[in-house]
Amino acid sequence: DAGVIQSPRHEVTEMGQEVTLRCKPISGHNSLFWYRQTMMRGLELLIYFNNNVPIDDSGMPEDRFSAKMPNASFSTLKIQPSEPRDSAVYFCASSLRFYEQYFGPGTRLTVT
Amino acid sequence: RKEVEQDPGPFNVPEGATVAFNCTYSNSASQSFFWYRQDCRKEPKLLMSVYSSGNEDGRFTAQLNRASQYISLLIRDSKLSDSATYLCVVASNDYKLSFGAGTTVTVRA
Repeated sequence: DAGVIQSPRHEVTEMGQEVTLRCKPISGHNSLFWYRQTMMRGLELLIYFNNNVPIDDSGMPEDRFSAKMPNASFSTLKIQPSEPRDSAVYFCASSLRFYEQYFGPGTRLTVT
Repeated sequence: RKEVEQDPGPFNVPEGATVAFNCTYSNSASQSFFWYRQDCRKEPKLLMSVYSSGNEDGRFTAQLNRASQYISLLIRDSKLSDSATYLCVVASNDYKLSFGAGTTVTVRA
């Protein structure tokens, strides 16, 4: 079975540009999570969806960040406009049991 | 204060050695506890849950001390493949996991 799929795997963009990260969760999983990982702050939960509905977006840093889940098999995280401090690895994870989260390979974002 | 704090290490141990490390958590109402493993430049993966009575999974033993609010992980008979960062994870509700910054273990031949 395919795991969580994320694209792109690497993204390099200039400050001010829009960035869209994509995630396909594991089929049948009803929960989806977006995380950000940096050396300074570790792994932080950005937003949590359950059955395609955003339940907790308190971790979204600011209005420049938005996330959608139009259906059970696809989610996006958008940053507009991007800033250098957004540089991080962004993980998408899905689960049936909340604690057993299956992470995708991550998108390594660099904003110059 | 961070919700979950870990000694970052690194712990450098020879093959076959035992290595143990702890993490502490700040929220006394935390309900569930786990260890995740993250290999270099890879995604985190669930290693094991931590139960109040302590539990083993092969060479790995996890302990929970609710009174002192700490969790431990012990690895016996270390293998080269155990080299990774171990993330202490605490759940305060039924969906949100708080991850520690991780403890790095390097097993040398």
